[in-house]
Amino acid sequence: DSGVTQTPKHLITATGQRVTLRCSPRSGDLSVYWYQQSLDQGLQFLIQYYNGEERAKGNILERFSAQQFPDLHSELNLSSLELGDSALYFCASSVAEVGRDTQYFGPGTRLTVL
Amino acid sequence: GNSVTQMEGPVTLSEEAFLTINCTYTATGYPSLFWYVQYPGEGLQLLLKATKADDKGSNKGFEATYRKETTSFHLEKGSVQVSDSAVYFCALRDTSGTYKYIFGTGTRLKVLA
Repeated sequence: DSGVTQTPKHLITATGQRVTLRCSPRSGDLSVYWYQQSLDQGLQFLIQYYNGEERAKGNILERFSAQQFPDLHSELNLSSLELGDSALYFCASSVAEVGRDTQYFGPGTRLTVL
Repeated sequence: GNSVTQMEGPVTLSEEAFLTINCTYTATGYPSLFWYVQYPGEGLQLLLKATKADDKGSNKGFEATYRKETTSFHLEKGSVQVSDSAVYFCALRDTSGTYKYIFGTGTRLKVLA
């Protein structure tokens, strides 16, 4: 158990819909990262938050957004869903300091868009 | 930009065989390097890491050495078991100050009894 929790575990929805994925980081970790894992694209970095502020952006679509709340949990919002958005979405957390940069991953949310 | 190149899989071995999974990287500076393992239906687990040149990370019989001169971080295990069947990901911590990771494409390992 990494200490990172993600809900829900599975999500099935239809094209055009909007969903919210939730992540709670390990105790003491200030930084949260979101990754998308699909069969054809591998593991892609989406976005990072540090103590409530966006720190880095990767290959995140404009239809996707995220935020980190004062209690440090994070939500990833996916809207106008398309079939191609079906994937595993992982959250990871870390302290994000020199020498303390190991990321710990949650179990993931499997999104299926029908 | 920074990148990670990993050998293509799948890799199929017999139990007790020697394992090598190649990983090379491109980066400015000296990034931390990681190997993660993903068992079927699960998330990624940290297997080992190295933070500077010539460091050797090791865990559960797996080893990898940070080679600056060849920009490599190859994963090795002397004797694999069926339970090692999983997907292995090489990653580096981006050196731009964001602490995000850049992952290789993953290598699927299948160990046969």
